[in-house]
Amino acid sequence: GQQLNQSPQSMFIQEGEDVSMNCTSSSIFNTWLWYKQDPGEGPVLLIALYKAGELTSNGRLTAQFGITRKDSFLNISASIPSDVGIYFCAGPGTASKLTFGTGTRLQVTL
Amino acid sequence: GAGVSQSPRYKVAKRGQDVALRCDPISGHVSLFWYQQALGQGPEFLTYFQNEAQLDKSGLPSDRFFAERPEGSVSTLKIQRTQQEDSAVYLCASSSFRRSRNTEAFFGQGTRLTVV
Repeated sequence: GQQLNQSPQSMFIQEGEDVSMNCTSSSIFNTWLWYKQDPGEGPVLLIALYKAGELTSNGRLTAQFGITRKDSFLNISASIPSDVGIYFCAGPGTASKLTFGTGTRLQVTL
Repeated sequence: GAGVSQSPRYKVAKRGQDVALRCDPISGHVSLFWYQQALGQGPEFLTYFQNEAQLDKSGLPSDRFFAERPEGSVSTLKIQRTQQEDSAVYLCASSSFRRSRNTEAFFGQGTRLTVV
């Protein structure tokens, strides 16, 4: 089946630093979604990408849909403590279901 | 409320017990999804409803898992004869159906099931 690999698996950064994470797929996706999950909560949609090469921002977050359609990147600028959580990329395997990545756990220290 | 609501938030079941997990989607949302999330993993698809029709149940791990949405609104995920490997967080999500954006869904907080 489809697999989405995220890297890094986890990262510790200092408040104010910029963060980069990426997601690669074994097959082509036509949509890329980025979610954030806090402990004890469900995933929350951050950014949706629909075109190869597309670059989309949501506040301090910027995501890009890779040209090959097999990868995507998420950047967070000037991180703050509430950025802590697990970030998942996801792509629709079919119109009815998402395949989620392995997740990147972000820890922000003061 | 405005979001997807799931109940109970936590459920402890003895092995072999049947459980029922409830999901109240966002009002008016046509699409409803169930996902299973094991500890330290990303969510994995279980099943999908469009209104009351269950259009995709390819992710249900065994015939002990059953989901319904009889009136196209509230959905129930039932697990019969629970096993320890069923321990996970069960997430419900809903979306207003739009072609190519159906999976842009809003998730509930989940039900954490622990089978002992």
